[in-house]
Amino acid sequence: GAGVSQSPSNKVTEKGKDVELRCDPISGHTALYWYRQSLGQGLEFLIYFQGNSAPDKSGLPSDRFSAERTGGSVSTLTIQRTQQEDSAVYLCASSLTSINEQYFGPGTRLTVT
Amino acid sequence: QKEVEQNSGPLSVPEGAIASLNCTYSDRGSQSFFWYRQYSGKSPELIMSIYSNGDKEDGRFTAQLNKASQYVSLLIRDSQPSDSATYLCAVMGQRSGGGADGLTFGKGTHLIIQP
Repeated sequence: GAGVSQSPSNKVTEKGKDVELRCDPISGHTALYWYRQSLGQGLEFLIYFQGNSAPDKSGLPSDRFSAERTGGSVSTLTIQRTQQEDSAVYLCASSLTSINEQYFGPGTRLTVT
Repeated sequence: QKEVEQNSGPLSVPEGAIASLNCTYSDRGSQSFFWYRQYSGKSPELIMSIYSNGDKEDGRFTAQLNKASQYVSLLIRDSQPSDSATYLCAVMGQRSGGGADGLTFGKGTHLIIQP
């Protein structure tokens, strides 16, 4: 079946602009996760949704980052007033429930110039 | 602070030999453990999951978990050049108020299988 999809695959934006990243989880998966991977760095957990709710937003790096999920499916991660340090690959993963294996999408490579 | 430690490598193993990858974690409350493979420029791909102490085998891969020692390992038998990648250990704990949390990843071990 179809895996996790993300769009766009690449995004180049100017410092100070807002960007929106989209994630389509595997059909039927109730849990959805956002991570980011910076060059040479490990994977950093950002936020987790169970259904449409995010129990804990403390992993978001700053208040410029926000995320929402609607209809228990698609999620968007929004970064306002982008900074160069936001440049990274943003990865979305989904799992059947919150305790199951997570499957990753291909990621969105964000470059802030 | 939850931490997952892995030797960054590179770990070089001859083709056909067994590759042994190790990981330690700091959070004793961790519930679930995963190994992901990541090729350069690609996203992580799930290889194995393990939830209870002992060994779990899937084809050429065996995951081993020892919760008392807070240690997880991955063995790859009959290593192939296509196994050359970075292997990420990931641990899922529980939040202090209960409920699931995101995965905490190690920085990964770079594995090279020499033909």
